[in-house]
Formats: sequence, C-alpha cells, structure tokens
Amino acid sequence: DVKVTQSSRYLVKRTGEKVFLECVQDMDHENMFWYRQDPGLGLRLIYFSYDVKMKEKGDIPEGYSVSREKKERFSLILESASTNQTSMYLCASSLGAGYTFGSGTRLTVV
Amino acid sequence: GQNIDQPTEMTATEGAIVQINCTYQTSGFNGLFWYQQHAGEAPTFLSYNVLDGLEEKGRFSSFLSRSKGYSYLLLKELQMKDSASYLCAVRDVSSGNTGKLIFGQGTTLQVKP
Repeated sequence: DVKVTQSSRYLVKRTGEKVFLECVQDMDHENMFWYRQDPGLGLRLIYFSYDVKMKEKGDIPEGYSVSREKKERFSLILESASTNQTSMYLCASSLGAGYTFGSGTRLTVV
Repeated sequence: GQNIDQPTEMTATEGAIVQINCTYQTSGFNGLFWYQQHAGEAPTFLSYNVLDGLEEKGRFSSFLSRSKGYSYLLLKELQMKDSASYLCAVRDVSSGNTGKLIFGQGTTLQVKP
C-alpha cells in the first residue's frame, strides 16, 4: 500500500512564525498536493507539484509556498503564520488518477 | 469555472439504502471520485467513474452522467460504521496540467439505529 506520511498530527504555532509542514510518500509518485480542509468549505487546493522542483498554484496559494527538492518529499511553508491559517492540512500523492492522502496535520495558530 | 455541489447533511437508518447526489461544472473533466472520511481521519478512496454508467463495488455503487454533470453514490445495507463524510471530487485536466482534484464540500451522513 502507498503510504503518505505527514510529520506532525497536531501543531500549535504563534502568529508571525514561519511554519513547515512536511509530507513524504514512499511509492515514487510523480504528483503531490497540499489541501486545507475547513468546515463548510471542504478541501481546497493550495499548491501541487508534478515533478521535482516543479510547483503550481492551486486555488488558495496566498500566504503559502512549497518546496519539492526530492521526489518523495513535498513541504508546505507558511511564511508568516496568521490565525486564519488555522486549519486541517492534508497532503496527497498520485501516480495517475487515484489520490492517497496522509492522515493530516491540524494546525492551530494563536 | 468549477463548481461542485452536494448536500451538506443526510440521515438514514441502519439497514436502509441512501443515495448521495453530486452535480458538477468543470471545463476539463477527466473523472469523478468519491471518498469517505471519518471524523479526524484522512479521506479514503471509494470509487472512480470516468465513463457514463454504474460502477458497483460491494455495498457501494457510483453512477455518472457526463452530459448532465451528475453523479451519485449509493450505499446499501447501511451500517453504523458508514456514518462519515462523503466527498465528491472531479479531476480537472484543463490548463494542460496533469490533473488536480476539485472537491465538493462533502456530505455528512449520519446512520441511526
């Protein structure tokens, strides 16, 4: 089975901090994605990457950046965390049509 | 633009059948997915439709009509463990990308005894 691992299940950060969310997949998938999930809004795509060092903006990239230096790792960076970035963050990877999700990181910005 | 609509909440009785509808509008349709998500957990894959018709997988079936921009997920012989959110997602290959999933807001299903 494909495994997508997110480094932290819960995080609490202060406003203005730089935050790194890490995601690693073990199946040599080309495509990786970062979503955030909020009540009533569903999953919204922040950034995605279809190759090493390649990245594309999703629907809500503002306030975020990403890094993909190695194929298996896709990092989401909050340059200066704000309270409106409190959310559940989900990483996913895919080779073709199907996505496999990590277990999520619940980030609280105080 | 892209738009995916599904009901916010549904309630059904254990042992019954429930149908969760999803309508979509997208410029680069390349398949429709259904995911199940239990509270506090990651979404897990249920089904995938790219051609019109019904796909059956055990107690779960999914239907697609591309001309109508419509899909449904049918759950039979409901069990208490089926209480979860069900996410409809459309794969969009417009803009020449490799395909990103656009999600609806999800339908929270509560199964009652």
